[in-house]
Amino acid sequence: QSALTQPASVSGSPGQSITISCTGTSSDVGGYNYVSWYQQHPGKAPKLMIYDVSNRPSGVSNRFSGSKSGNTASLTISGLQAEDEADYYCSSYTSSSTLIFGTGTKVTVL
Amino acid sequence: QITLKESGPTLVKPTQTLTLTCTFSGFSLSTSGVGVGWIRQPPGKALEWLALIYWNDDKRYSPSLKSRLTITKDTSKNQVVLTMTNMDPVDTATYYCAHFFGSSSFFGYWGQGTLVTVSS
Repeated sequence: QSALTQPASVSGSPGQSITISCTGTSSDVGGYNYVSWYQQHPGKAPKLMIYDVSNRPSGVSNRFSGSKSGNTASLTISGLQAEDEADYYCSSYTSSSTLIFGTGTKVTVL
Repeated sequence: QITLKESGPTLVKPTQTLTLTCTFSGFSLSTSGVGVGWIRQPPGKALEWLALIYWNDDKRYSPSLKSRLTITKDTSKNQVVLTMTNMDPVDTATYYCAHFFGSSSFFGYWGQGTLVTVSS
């Protein structure tokens, strides 16, 4: 199984909104509503930001939202802040009952 | 409060077998729907899912690494062990264990990770 495809980098100015895409196939992203998103700051462990495509865990800012259309899931960060600068990874359950991560996206706050 | 911590060697030689232990607290691996997984991240690269063990001892492995991986659990000790055979320098990475919510297939809590270097 190949990694889910994400853009290598996305940037935006403070206050702006950005969207990160995560493209898979009908055997993973498109076939299940089990897409999750993780934020990772340098030298730190990943942190869950979104699960089940669009649900936010307790404590995660409502500036983070998720959606899905067909084989592509998306993470949107609104009101971009300096602290949002990090790497972001999507993940999906697959038809083989395994898991798969995305290629990762570096978010830069200009 | 759920916590997980990885332990094991920081340096292994090529062809050796790596054994990593995940010791956790705050949940039981005998609870329905719960799992523990392993994920790795080579320096400067992306996350890669390796293996998963469920409360009912169901085990899942990355297809590309399946022949080299074994995951087991000791519920009484709150530990999950991952072994990876025939280590190679390309296996140099930070290895994470994480609590898995099986009903929705996501990792809600992560350990701090442990860097394993493969070198002679």
